[in-house]
Amino acid sequence: SQKIEQNSEALNIQEGKTATLTCNYTNYSPAYLQWYRQDPGRGPVFLLLIRENEKEKRKERLKVTFDTTLKQSLFHITASQPADSATYLCALPGGSYIPTFGRGTSLIVHP
Amino acid sequence: DTGVSQDPRHKITKRGQNVTFRCDPISEHNRLYWYRQTLGQGPEFLTYFQNEAQLEKSRLLSNRFSAERPKGSFSTLEIQRTEQGDSAMYLCASSLGTDGQPQHFGDGTRLSIL
Repeated sequence: SQKIEQNSEALNIQEGKTATLTCNYTNYSPAYLQWYRQDPGRGPVFLLLIRENEKEKRKERLKVTFDTTLKQSLFHITASQPADSATYLCALPGGSYIPTFGRGTSLIVHP
Repeated sequence: DTGVSQDPRHKITKRGQNVTFRCDPISEHNRLYWYRQTLGQGPEFLTYFQNEAQLEKSRLLSNRFSAERPKGSFSTLEIQRTEQGDSAMYLCASSLGTDGQPQHFGDGTRLSIL
């Protein structure tokens, strides 16, 4: 069955460092992958979409890579700030292109 | 863009009671989704509408759950005879109907069953 894996352990980093979050998947051949941010008590907010023919995509301090051979996406936040602390979810299209979400990884940026 | 709104934000009820949640999507979005999310997990798909047609329901959706989207605008999700296991955050999202379009989420209704 299709499976999305994100590290369930929180990632703790110091302000100014680069945060790297991982999304691994199995039994998928996705045409694209999405990343969302979720703050406590709020709904997820879309950040980036990367397509299978794109190796890398950037938006301001965010960078996403997509390796369809490794079946992995990496999500980077450079020059991290305490305001970047949140849970980051990856999502892959399932049947009818309905997104299937990973469990998310919590990022905590310490001042 | 007024965003997706959900009402109520919180609902506390006794086991066995019926509850109904409302979602108002972004007006030009023809797709509307309902998800359930529990602590430490990602959103779990329940059902979705394309305009007023309910096109897919998760196998996880028991027959105590029903959703409607009359006239293709707002949607309601009803849970009958609530159980302890129904306690969760219920999220609504909307999107344009084409592949890869981002989902816009509301802030959810948190349901607590006493």
